[in-house]
Formats: sequence, C-alpha cells, structure tokens
Amino acid sequence: DSGVTQTPKHLITATGQRVTLRCSPRSGDLSVYWYQQSLDQGLQFLIQYYNGEERAKGNILERFSAQQFPDLHSELNLSSLELGDSALYFCASSARGGFSYNEQFFGPGTRLTVL
Amino acid sequence: QKEVEQDPGPLSVPEGAIVSLNCTYSNSAFQYFMWYRQYSRKGPELLMYTYSSGNKEDGRFTAQVDKSSKYISLFIRDSQPSDSATYLCAMSALQDGNKLVFGAGTILRVKS
Repeated sequence: DSGVTQTPKHLITATGQRVTLRCSPRSGDLSVYWYQQSLDQGLQFLIQYYNGEERAKGNILERFSAQQFPDLHSELNLSSLELGDSALYFCASSARGGFSYNEQFFGPGTRLTVL
Repeated sequence: QKEVEQDPGPLSVPEGAIVSLNCTYSNSAFQYFMWYRQYSRKGPELLMYTYSSGNKEDGRFTAQVDKSSKYISLFIRDSQPSDSATYLCAMSALQDGNKLVFGAGTILRVKS
C-alpha cells in the first residue's frame, strides 16, 4: 500500500458526461501528479500540482482540468467525455515538487469506462 | 517517434532465468532513470532509480544506464513466478521538474 488513495475505483459513464476523480496524497506529501494509462498510449503524464499551485503540464486535453485543495487532496475533472477517454487514471504523490529527484508513489488508480 | 521506446513483449522465461529488460530514449536531457513494476490492476511501484550513467544493484535487481548510447537496462537474477508483472522504464529531466516519461512497459511471465 503506497499511502495514496483514489476514489472511485471504477466509474462507468456515457459520452458527453462529466466526472470527477479524487486523490489523497501520502501524509506530508506536497506534490500530486495525474497520469493516464491506456492500451494505445501507455502511461502519460497529465499535470502536476505542488502545494496548491500548478507546477507542470503534460498533454492534458482542454476538456480536462485539475486542482489541488488546501488540505492537499486533488481532483481531476473530465468533461464532454469521449469513448477514447476510457482509461486508467493514476494519481501519484511526492514529498516535494522541485527540480530534483522526488520518488513518486502511485495510487491504485480509477478505471474509467465511457460507453 | 516516442521519447522512450520499450519492447512490450510479452517475455516468457523459466523460473531461475536471468531476465534482461531494456529501454532506449531520444531526449539527452533525461538525468533520472527509473524502473517501475506494475501488477495487473494495480498502480506502478518503484523498483529502482539511477541518476545519470552507471550501475546500481539491489538484491536480485541491477539497473544500468548508458547515457552515451541512450540505453537503460534492468536485469533480474534468479527470476521467480512472483516477478511476473509489467515492467515500465521511466525517465525525467531536471528542466521538466519531476514529470515522468514512461516506456510502453514489458510484460514478463516467469514460468514455474
């Protein structure tokens, strides 16, 4: 158990809908990362937050947004869902978010199915 | 062309074999190199990380990085059925903060 929690475990929804994925980092970790894992694209970095502020952005679609709250939990919002958004969404956390190596601990993931 | 290339396998070996997993990359700014293990329906867990070129050993696992060739390897000695998983290489560059770029992952099956 990495100490990172994600809810829900599974989510099934329809095209065009909006969903929110939630992540609680390990106790004391200030940085949260979101990754998407799909069969065709593999594991891809979406976005990073550090102590409430956006720190880095990857190939995140405009339909997707995220935020980190004062208690350091994070939410990933996915809107106008398409079939291709079906994937595993992982949250990871690390102690810091600066420009040095920080081990990232991954949560168990949320499996999103868009029908 | 992807920044990180990794043969997806699957790789099937008998118990006790030495396993070699490899990745190549194109971004010369990468400085940190990691190997993650992912069991089915679980999140990735860090096995080893290496900074810059060189070797690192941890029990049955050895990681090698050759920056001049842009090539990294993970060796598993005396492989066990419990090593059956997907192995993902990952890399990061200081200039990009802590963002990880992953390979596609290699599926490993160790047969007893």
